[in-house]
Amino acid sequence: DVKVTQSSRYLVKRTGEKVFLECVQDMDHENMFWYRQDPGLGLRLIYFSYDVKMKEKGDIPEGYSVSREKKERFSLILESASTNQTSMYLCASSTPEGGILGEKLFFGSGTQLSVL
Amino acid sequence: QKEVEQNSGPLSVPEGAIASLNCTYSDRGSQSFFWYRQYSGKSPELIMFIYSNGDKEDGRFTAQLNKASQYVSLLIRDSQPSDSATYLCAAGGTSYGKLTFGQGTILTVHP
Repeated sequence: DVKVTQSSRYLVKRTGEKVFLECVQDMDHENMFWYRQDPGLGLRLIYFSYDVKMKEKGDIPEGYSVSREKKERFSLILESASTNQTSMYLCASSTPEGGILGEKLFFGSGTQLSVL
Repeated sequence: QKEVEQNSGPLSVPEGAIASLNCTYSDRGSQSFFWYRQYSGKSPELIMFIYSNGDKEDGRFTAQLNKASQYVSLLIRDSQPSDSATYLCAAGGTSYGKLTFGQGTILTVHP
């Protein structure tokens, strides 16, 4: 089975701190994604990466950056955490097997981040 | 801004009934559509996908797609309490597997 592992289940940080959220997948997937999930807003894409060292902005990239130095690892960075970044963060991966199969996302268990 | 809108919930149905979840999308370039189920405190898991107009059935689940109306739906027959979850509709078909999600519909199936 595909496994997507997020380093922390719960995280509490203070405003202004630099925050790193780590995600590792073990299925050699090319594509990796960071979403945030807020009540009533669904999942919103922050950044995604389709290859090592490649990254693309999603719908809400402001205040975030990402790093993908190795294929299996995709990190989300909050340069200076703010209270409006309190949210559930979900990492996902997929592989472009061709057609619709490439869009099947495998999600990690999520990191609930609270910024105080 | 590409949008996916789901019918507002929460939706409550009795056990054994048909639950109907609806979704509309704004981007006519979307080619593929997905339904994810998310139990409380858990991550989303894919339960259905569809990319051709019409119906697609898998067990108690039927996905319906009408591209002309930009409408997607999920029917759950013989609903069970274990179906109680948030259902997320997503649209894709662009490069790199990027999906746009709706806000989710909370379904409760009561005994």
